[in-house]
Amino acid sequence: GENVEQHPSTLSVQEGDSAVIKCTYSDSASNYFPWYKQELGKRPQLIIDIRSNVGEKKDQRIAVTLNKTAKHFSLHITETQPEDSAVYFCAASIYTPLVFGKGTRLSVIA
Amino acid sequence: DADVTQTPRNRITKTGKRIMLECSQTKGHDRMYWYRQDPGLGLRLIYYSFDVKDINKGEISDGYSVSRQAQAKFSLSLESAIPNQTALYFCATSGVLGSYTDTQYFGPGTRLTVL
Repeated sequence: GENVEQHPSTLSVQEGDSAVIKCTYSDSASNYFPWYKQELGKRPQLIIDIRSNVGEKKDQRIAVTLNKTAKHFSLHITETQPEDSAVYFCAASIYTPLVFGKGTRLSVIA
Repeated sequence: DADVTQTPRNRITKTGKRIMLECSQTKGHDRMYWYRQDPGLGLRLIYYSFDVKDINKGEISDGYSVSRQAQAKFSLSLESAIPNQTALYFCATSGVLGSYTDTQYFGPGTRLTVL
């Protein structure tokens, strides 16, 4: 079955800097790659997703890139703000339940 | 998302007790899931259901059972709770029949402590 690896497990950046979180997946048939943000004590919420027929997607300060050949995808957050501090999860699937990475705890230092 | 609800939100119980966690949704979704979250281990799938007559085991189903009472209701049971089942449990929903959209929407979570 699908296996998703996520790195790093923790990331600290200065406010205003960029943050990058990377994930790799094992099943080349996977075609849907969402990213979830979980604030402390809250539920995971979708922040951006990408399908395998697209290489990059942007939404204001966040972007996701997908490299199908290498089977990896990344989340990019620019101009980080304190409210970006949270745990971020990547996931992959092919019309089946999502398989999640173990998460990255992002801390934005003011 | 107030349209995915979980009860109870917090529960403390003792080893050996039977516990039921309930999930309801008003999103009209066909697919429902139960996940367990432990620190450093991410979200692990316990069971999932693609419709009322469909129940599937996930990655960590041992010690758990589920019931899909209706399209909108999916319950998770711990028949005999043990301390290592102490965790945060999330219900999630996705998809409308005929659609392949996989975006999952999570409930607020149930924090379960087994003493």
